Amino acid sequence: GAGVSQTPSNKVTEKGKYVELRCDPISGHTALYWYRQSLGQGPEFLIYFQGTGAADDSGLPNDRFFAVRPEGSVSTLKIQRTERGDSAVYLCASSPPTRPEQFFGPGTRLTVL
Amino acid sequence: GQNIDQPTEMTATEGAIVQINCTYQTSGFNGLFWYQQHAGEAPTFLSYNVLDGLEEKGRFSSFLSRSKGYSYLLLKELQMKDSASYLCAVRHRPEAAGNKLTFGGGTRVLVKP
Repeated sequence: GAGVSQTPSNKVTEKGKYVELRCDPISGHTALYWYRQSLGQGPEFLIYFQGTGAADDSGLPNDRFFAVRPEGSVSTLKIQRTERGDSAVYLCASSPPTRPEQFFGPGTRLTVL
Repeated sequence: GQNIDQPTEMTATEGAIVQINCTYQTSGFNGLFWYQQHAGEAPTFLSYNVLDGLEEKGRFSSFLSRSKGYSYLLLKELQMKDSASYLCAVRHRPEAAGNKLTFGGGTRVLVKP
């Protein structure tokens, strides 16, 4: 596809459940970022991958959050024991090796009941 | 740490000009982005400034003063479709934080007929 894609677009789960959010970056983009955006606020950085490795995971709020990018392309954000406070839009972005812009996907709206 | 401030909301009339200011305090500055975000959609790239001065791109211009920690986005000949949130984001140095972006809270611009 032409842009960053994220699935699912919406996810409703119950408190305590496990969820996985998927991001498919633009082909050839080596850097991949996850952000979280709450209503009326700007996106908040979670984790950054350069290739397969997590270069910076300082934004992950706690050890319930984990992300992988095993082949340097698709990434999965995993949240264990979800809490109501995890409800937000989770945005993925990717950027090419030679340009600074980050291109965002449409996001996954996570609702924890 | 990082601190990015921008007004919460602005209202302007179709055809007019609006200037959205952004001030920042951050270490390891490596450029400033402006993104546009319509409700329920992904942020889309508008501009990137890394050197002082004005960058013009059609109806949109962006200005940066690194010594003052200040940027603005200027929207000219406002159209109804320009009603959106405008996000100011600081890019960090790779060695400091891997090109991650720190966003302000966003400025919601409402264009009235």
